[in-house]
Amino acid sequence: GAGVSQSPSNKVTEKGKDVELRCDPISGHTALYWYRQSLGQGLEFLIYFQGNSAPDKSGLPSDRFSAERTGGSVSTLTIQRTQQEDSAVYLCASSLAANVLTFGAGSRLTVL
Amino acid sequence: AQSVTQLGSHVSVSEGALVLLRCNYSSSVPPYLFWYVQYPNQGLQLLLKYTTGATLVKGINGFEAEFKKSETSFHLTKPSAHMSDAAEYFCAVSDGWGGGNKLTFGTGTQLKVEL
Repeated sequence: GAGVSQSPSNKVTEKGKDVELRCDPISGHTALYWYRQSLGQGLEFLIYFQGNSAPDKSGLPSDRFSAERTGGSVSTLTIQRTQQEDSAVYLCASSLAANVLTFGAGSRLTVL
Repeated sequence: AQSVTQLGSHVSVSEGALVLLRCNYSSSVPPYLFWYVQYPNQGLQLLLKYTTGATLVKGINGFEAEFKKSETSFHLTKPSAHMSDAAEYFCAVSDGWGGGNKLTFGTGTQLKVEL
């Protein structure tokens, strides 16, 4: 596609529920990143996929968070048993030229 | 480990005034430095980047930044602010150029432009 597409744009869920956030990167981009943006916290790195290499999961805050990337394209970030502190905007970015990221508009998650 | 510090979470300038947004980095290797901008309700977009070569880099919308190794800084400037510059600005650092080198972002600076 023309840009990085994320869905849903907004998600409100109850504490304890599981959520899935989807990212469609730019076609042909081999690298895909997930970041979390919280008020006053900047962008927190979560996970990074590069081609067929094992993902860099070093930023995932707990084992409730997981992500996969199918067929080297679409990625899903899953948060299990959501907590209120998980409320944030989750940003996906993709890259062809390394380090130059194109971001999606984000998925705003609110956990009640 | 690399890190970025952005001094001032909020900066307010008058239209037509100089914009100066500060960024200091920490990196164990020669850094690659970036500024991204996020307009309201939009995703982040690249403003400019420093990789190697000329230490003064120019970006979109009249912005520029200078890499100063001795000061470990990469401050963002624009000679004359415009109302449309109101946005949040993020400085970022990478310790490499290529696959496997993720960006570490600062906490952002919200720029307000007043009449």
